[in-house]
Amino acid sequence: DVKVTQSSRYLVKRTGEKVFLECVQDMDHENMFWYRQDPGLGLRLIYFSYDVKMKEKGDIPEGYSVSREKKERFSLILESASTNQTSMYLCASSPDTLAGGFEQFFGPGTRLTVL
Amino acid sequence: GQSLEQPSEVTAVEGAIVQINCTYQTSGFYGLSWYQQHDGGAPTFLSYNALDGLEETGRFSSFLSRSDSYGYLLLQELQMKDSASYFCAVITHNYGQNFVFGPGTRLSVLP
Repeated sequence: DVKVTQSSRYLVKRTGEKVFLECVQDMDHENMFWYRQDPGLGLRLIYFSYDVKMKEKGDIPEGYSVSREKKERFSLILESASTNQTSMYLCASSPDTLAGGFEQFFGPGTRLTVL
Repeated sequence: GQSLEQPSEVTAVEGAIVQINCTYQTSGFYGLSWYQQHDGGAPTFLSYNALDGLEETGRFSSFLSRSDSYGYLLLQELQMKDSASYFCAVITHNYGQNFVFGPGTRLSVLP
């Protein structure tokens, strides 16, 4: 059974803290993604990665960075958390397009609250 | 910019048919997907259209018209468990697979 796991379901941090959100997939997928989901705005892409050590900015990368040192792991980093980064964060993975990579598999999400 | 538009809410009764529309304006287009998300859950894949026409998967069908930049998800024989949010998503290019999601449509199925 395909699986994407995220390190925490709920997280509470203070303004200015450095925050790490971890995502692991066990499907040997090439592509991994980080989204944030806010009511009425759908899923907005923060960063994605199509290979180890490769990363591309999505639509809202400001205030975030990512790391992909291993194929199965994609980390999202908030260098200095702010209250406007309170949101649901979803990680996803997908295989290469040539392998039928039009389906994304999502993790359960991390609800981050920044106080 | 890139944008996808969907109705924010749709309500229907059990056993009915409902259509959720999606129009898109993106810098590239490789295909249109649909996802379902129940409250508190993760989005799950429903369907994918790369070519014009209708794709049917059980009670759900998805349609695409590339010339009109338009697609829809058709849900037949609605059940209470279909109450969820539905998102359309465009894959804007093949390499790197940038997915752009719509704002979502909340479907409420009434008894």
